[in-house]
Amino acid sequence: GQQVMQIPQYQHVQEGEDFTTYCNSSTTLSNIQWYKQRPGGHPVFLIQLVKSGEVKKQKRLTFQFGEAKKNSSLHITATQTTDVGTYFCAGKDGNKLVFGAGTILRVKS
Amino acid sequence: DGGITQSPKYLFRKEGQNVTLSCEQNLNHDAMYWYRQDPGQGLRLIYYSQIVNDFQKGDIAEGYSVSREKKESFPLTVTSAQKNPTAFYLCASTGDRLVTEAFFGQGTRLTVV
Repeated sequence: GQQVMQIPQYQHVQEGEDFTTYCNSSTTLSNIQWYKQRPGGHPVFLIQLVKSGEVKKQKRLTFQFGEAKKNSSLHITATQTTDVGTYFCAGKDGNKLVFGAGTILRVKS
Repeated sequence: DGGITQSPKYLFRKEGQNVTLSCEQNLNHDAMYWYRQDPGQGLRLIYYSQIVNDFQKGDIAEGYSVSREKKESFPLTVTSAQKNPTAFYLCASTGDRLVTEAFFGQGTRLTVV
């Protein structure tokens, strides 16, 4: 079955620094989704990318979908303490919604 | 308000006992999922269901069982056969729109003592 790998597992940044998490799939994805889980909370949907090479922005967050539709990235510019949490990518494997292992982001103020 | 509800939020059980976690949604979603999350870990798929009276095993189904008798409900039973049941359990649902984002419940934290 499809595997979705995500790196890094953990990143600790100084407030104001940038942050990037990468997602790679073993198979071509029809689309990719990104979620954020705050500490103690549940995952919340951020965005879905569908087209090859697609780039979408949400304020300080930039999402990219690779040309081959097998990889994706989430970049946060100038992190803030409110950005802390775990960021997951997810893709569909048939009818299964498969999540990456997530990247835990900690921000030092 | 439309949403997905899990209960209870915290659950304590003795080793060897079966326990059932509730998941209800009023989003009219066809697909529902159960995930397990261990500390600092990702989401591992236990079971999923695309339609009433049908469900499939995910990656870690051993020691768990589910039912889907109603579209709104997808309860998960953690049986005594599950060797390490203490974890955070998340239920999710997805619809059939173009953007099929998953909506998650608040989660149930199960502790087996």
